[in-house]
This record gives sequence, structure tokens and C-alpha cells, in this order.
Amino acid sequence: GAGVSQSPSNKVTEKGKDVELRCDPISGHTALYWYRQSLGQGLEFLIYFQGNSAPDKSGLPSDRFSAERTGGSVSTLTIQRTQQEDSAVYLCASRTFSGGAPDTQYFGPGTRLTVL
Amino acid sequence: KNQVEQSPQSLIILEGKNCTLQCNYTVSPFSNLRWYKQDTGRGPVSLTIMTFSENTKSNGRYTATLDADTKQSSLHITASQLSDSASYICVVSGSYNTDKLIFGTGTRLQVFP
Repeated sequence: GAGVSQSPSNKVTEKGKDVELRCDPISGHTALYWYRQSLGQGLEFLIYFQGNSAPDKSGLPSDRFSAERTGGSVSTLTIQRTQQEDSAVYLCASRTFSGGAPDTQYFGPGTRLTVL
Repeated sequence: KNQVEQSPQSLIILEGKNCTLQCNYTVSPFSNLRWYKQDTGRGPVSLTIMTFSENTKSNGRYTATLDADTKQSSLHITASQLSDSASYICVVSGSYNTDKLIFGTGTRLQVFP
């Protein structure tokens, strides 16, 4: 596709349930990022993939959060045993890797997660 | 602690007017600074990227400035349009990990006719 896509666009779940959020990066983009945007807060870095490996998982807030990327393309962010404080917009971004000048990250529209 | 501070938090201007948004950061060492525009319900879209050696960069009616000595940046919007209504986010990358971006909380701009 032309841009980064994410699904679902909205997700409402009950506390304690597991959720999976999906990101389809721009074709050919080797780097993929997950961010969380809580109401009134700046974007918070969660995890970064280069290819299928995740050299930086430092932003994952707890062991209930995990992410994987297969085939160097689609990524899934999984939140287990969701809590109300997990409610936020989860944004995915991708970029090419030139190794030179800083590259633009292209963002998807986000998944709005509401935990009741 | 927030290493990227933006001001004002919100701003209302009339169509056709100019405005300037501010960003102060404490991220060190510093690699680059980006300004993003985020429309409501959408993901951020990049406006400009500046490395420490660049002082100014323009993208149409948007002009960003950077003073790496004082760790300050500004985004100037000329002849505002209704479509400029959005949040403008300042994002800084440190040189140790250029892939880890630190986001400000944004300035919410509303342009009225």
C-alpha cells in the first residue's frame, strides 16, 4: 500500500483480556516502530524493529507487552491482561534505512484502544 | 521528566496570520530535531528534519529554526490556513541512539476564519 496501515482502528476490550494490534509498514521499509500516545501526553516510544529483530525494547512498559515482526514486514503488538491504564492510541511508524542522514518516519493512523 | 518542552500548549489565530511555536530540549548529546504535524485522529506527518549543523529549514509555509547552542527550536507558520489547525510536535533524537525519538507534548493550533 501507499502508507502505513494499522488494524483495528478502534478496539474496546474488557480489563484482563488480551489484545493484538497489527501494523503493515510501507513496502520495503526495514525499520518499524511502535509508540503509545496517551491523552494529553507526548508519544512514548515502545519498541523498534530492524528487520525481524528488536534491538531496542526499552520502552515496553511491562512484561504484559510484547511485539513481533515476521518476514521483515507485518508487526503485531500484543498486550496481555489489559489494564485501564493501557487505554491509549497505539501508533506504528516505518522508515527505510539509509545509514546516512536522518530518515523520515512515516506513521500509520493508529489504533485507539479502550480498556473498560 | 520531559526532555522536550513545547510552548504554548495551545494557540488560536485568525486565518492569514503568522504564528511561531517554540520547542526547548535538554536531550544530550543531540543528533537531530524534527517537527511533525498531527491532525486529529491521524498519525503524525513529518514537516522538517534538522541536524545540529542546520539553522533553518523550510517546507512551504513552514519554517523551522534551530539553535543547538541554546537547545531551542521554533516553527514559524506564514499566512495560516484553516487546514493548519492541528497539533505540532517537536521531536528530538540523541546521537547515541538516533532511532529513539523523544517527543514533546505538542502545541495545539486552531485557525479560525
